[in-house]
Amino acid sequence: QKEVEQNSGPLSVPEGAIASLNCTYSDRGSQSFFWYRQYSGKSPELIMSIYSNGDKEDGRFTAQLNKASQYVSLLIRDSQPSDSATYLCAVRGNNDMRFGAGTRLTVKP
Amino acid sequence: EAGVAQSPRYKIIEKRQSVAFWCNPISGHATLYWYQQILGQGPKLLIQFQNNGVVDDSQLPKDRFSAERLKGVDSTLKIQPAKLEDSAVYLCASSLIQENTEAFFGQGTRLTVV
Repeated sequence: QKEVEQNSGPLSVPEGAIASLNCTYSDRGSQSFFWYRQYSGKSPELIMSIYSNGDKEDGRFTAQLNKASQYVSLLIRDSQPSDSATYLCAVRGNNDMRFGAGTRLTVKP
Repeated sequence: EAGVAQSPRYKIIEKRQSVAFWCNPISGHATLYWYQQILGQGPKLLIQFQNNGVVDDSQLPKDRFSAERLKGVDSTLKIQPAKLEDSAVYLCASSLIQENTEAFFGQGTRLTVV
């Protein structure tokens, strides 16, 4: 059974702080990794994708991938109240795309 | 570019009734996914199509759920008969066939079984 595990949270950070979200996966054949944001009552929307080991930065977001450790993370710098949402880790490989349970983030003003 | 279209947006049915959901993916997307998302949980993959073939349906409760994508474009997911525990949001997503591409989601169908 292919598993995608996330720290369940909820995670609460003050405005302006760094939020750190973590994800591990069980399938070593996985090739592509994604972070989606899901606001309450809405569908998931992509915020970051990463395919090779190392860091990938996009604005306030940094995704980190370590395939040897089967670990992917998302850092959100200068967190804003509008970042309050559930963050879903998704792993694609061997013809499927599976999601973790999500981490609920609250950014307090 | 049009996104993933789903209908209906909401559906309320009684247990043991049947229900069907429809999805039209983004044009050119060969891969189509159906997910079930129960409140407070992550999306659970029910079935994945590539064109009109099933790639993965290992988590589809086949005694009551069925899905088809006859012409490799739009898809229908059916539940018959529905149970109370089927209450969830059913999300359809599509992607290009290459692995290093993301999935795009429709707005989902919120099903309530009473």
